[in-house]
Amino acid sequence: TQLLEQSPQFLSIQEGENLTVYCNSSSVFSSLQWYRQEPGEGPVLLVTVVTGGEVKKLKRLTFQFGDARKDSSLHITAAQPGDTGLYLCAGRTTDSWGKLQFGAGTQVVVTP
Amino acid sequence: DAGITQSPRHKVTETGTPVTLRCHQTENHRYMYWYRQDPGHGLRLIHYSYGVKDTDKGEVSDGYSVSRSKTEDFLLTLESATSSQTSVYFCAISEAQGRAYGYTFGSGTRLTVV
Repeated sequence: TQLLEQSPQFLSIQEGENLTVYCNSSSVFSSLQWYRQEPGEGPVLLVTVVTGGEVKKLKRLTFQFGDARKDSSLHITAAQPGDTGLYLCAGRTTDSWGKLQFGAGTQVVVTP
Repeated sequence: DAGITQSPRHKVTETGTPVTLRCHQTENHRYMYWYRQDPGHGLRLIHYSYGVKDTDKGEVSDGYSVSRSKTEDFLLTLESATSSQTSVYFCAISEAQGRAYGYTFGSGTRLTVV
């Protein structure tokens, strides 16, 4: 079983639409990160959130860490084809000795 | 100018043969990791290293071994490849283990065991 559950698994939208990806767990995380992965490449770090309730914005991307530090969301406003990719959440629990644990990912496809 | 490179990028091997994948970094980061990525499972940790000659097992370490004789190189060996080890393998590096630190990943090695 995945420690981090991502939903949905797949999302296909038109350019200009908004989307939200969720990352949930029953465990508490000291920090949570979001990565984007494009075909044939490794994941690339987008953001790190460390405080419960924290909201970070990166241009059209908004990341939120849940108050209880068990969940996170990624919201993309006015999606563009360049946002297409596999979005992965990853977290550190207090007993994971600093190692990141990854969710299975959400595949996002934005069509023109 | 990639700080982390993996080789080879693609490999096809036969069942029962040993295979070694290489990860090379130029960032002088202390921590290095090997993950495998499979559909529906995401990234799963195989082994990691917290310094030269200091390694430990991850969640899916059976059938794999690692070595780190230099800071810059982390080798993953499949002792006797099986079809279940067909996967995409990623190496990652991290400067530290603190909660604010992220990983930098290589571009991956696609391994097919036939």
